Amino acid sequence: NAGVTQTPKFRVLKTGQSMTLLCAQDMNHEYMYWYRQDPGMGLRLIHYSVGEGTTAKGEVPDGYNVSRLKKQNFLLGLESAAPSQTSVYFCASRRLLAIQETQYFGPGTRLLVL
Amino acid sequence: AQSVTQPDIHITVSEGASLELRCNYSYGATPYLFWYVQSPGQGLQLLLKYFSGDTLVQGIKGFEAEFKRSQSSFNLRKPSVHWSDAAEYFCAVATGTSYDKVIFGPGTSLSVIP
Repeated sequence: NAGVTQTPKFRVLKTGQSMTLLCAQDMNHEYMYWYRQDPGMGLRLIHYSVGEGTTAKGEVPDGYNVSRLKKQNFLLGLESAAPSQTSVYFCASRRLLAIQETQYFGPGTRLLVL
Repeated sequence: AQSVTQPDIHITVSEGASLELRCNYSYGATPYLFWYVQSPGQGLQLLLKYFSGDTLVQGIKGFEAEFKRSQSSFNLRKPSVHWSDAAEYFCAVATGTSYDKVIFGPGTSLSVIP
């Protein structure tokens, strides 16, 4: 049981380049989330998914796209990276309607856009 | 506007001393309330959650939090701090079963003096 994993751990991009961040969970959780964390701030929700094949926008979705083709994977894409997207990205998963709250976060992906 | 404030940017306590981290929120209705801990270079770990019922919530690692509706506060406490508690602590509020409307506070950094 690996929990929530994120790939890659660190990436440097040039402005205009594209990339995909992968989040994988092996807990059969329905909900998955992508957040970004910037210095001195709490996390901000980019996109989320309530189940396989569904996605929805969070607070700061501009410049990002997501897909949830398989229940265990949630992909975050940057089509044309900008320096403002330099951040640490966290993925999280959660079980639907659990008696006890279950939320798990990945270790993060540090992205630098030059 | 909805907001979450953590008045203390940084707190230093001695090992064995008690701890209280403050969190105040502004929301239309009583939201879900959370406390998370983030160790350096790690993802977030959920300490505890409140939605309804008993206003004193017990969490993991010996933490507890008390919801005070009249003060719009959800302060985190621990009776005796251990050196391993040194980390960043985030308060968050969310609404809806999807947690799609989520706001994180800016965090409080805790240092522990041996």
